[in-house]
Amino acid sequence: LAKTTQPISMDSYEGQEVNITCSHNNIATNDYITWYQQFPSQGPRFIIQGYKTKVTNEVASLFIPADRKSSTLSLPRVSLSDTAVYYCLVGDLDNDMRFGAGTRLTVKP
Amino acid sequence: DTAVSQTPKYLVTQMGNDKSIKCEQNLGHDTMYWYKQDSKKFLKIMFSYNNKELIINETVPNRFSPKSPDKAHLNLHINSLELGDSAVYFCASSQGRGRGFNSPLHFGNGTRLTVT
Repeated sequence: LAKTTQPISMDSYEGQEVNITCSHNNIATNDYITWYQQFPSQGPRFIIQGYKTKVTNEVASLFIPADRKSSTLSLPRVSLSDTAVYYCLVGDLDNDMRFGAGTRLTVKP
Repeated sequence: DTAVSQTPKYLVTQMGNDKSIKCEQNLGHDTMYWYKQDSKKFLKIMFSYNNKELIINETVPNRFSPKSPDKAHLNLHINSLELGDSAVYFCASSQGRGRGFNSPLHFGNGTRLTVT
């Protein structure tokens, strides 16, 4: 499994765009990049998954450069309710989902 | 309707006791998992079952035993509870035989186990 590195914490303000970058220098050819969100007292929730370039859904966008050694989760116009821990996971279709420490995002008024 | 439900939500018990946590999913998924989240908030996979067959068994003490009566249920039984077992235990499920990258994991809201 590719090792991932993300910032431990980030602060933002309501209405701002938040970009959380994840480094995965040893990503393998068959690996996908998946992001989960975890609110306090809840289980993680799938946000988005991508392999290359850009993926967008109703919640977020995922930007993946050509070398795939990093990825950026972009949350448009965050609100207080986006305060959560965000996990970046990298692996192929046969890998288990192994969570790291994640990034604790705090959105302030 | 809750997709993945766990009971109980809170469990306080004494060292040495045996306890069970139940999990049910109504998503029709083939694979179910147990994860443990410790006080440092690291989520670690413990077990996974695919159609009642154990496919992941991490280095977990033998005191932990998963039981899957059918593919919609995966219960976790813990014998001789120890202080270090205190954590939040999450049940999850996913479609197919995939291990999460193939199909997203759907988590329950966790069972907070406190061993005194």
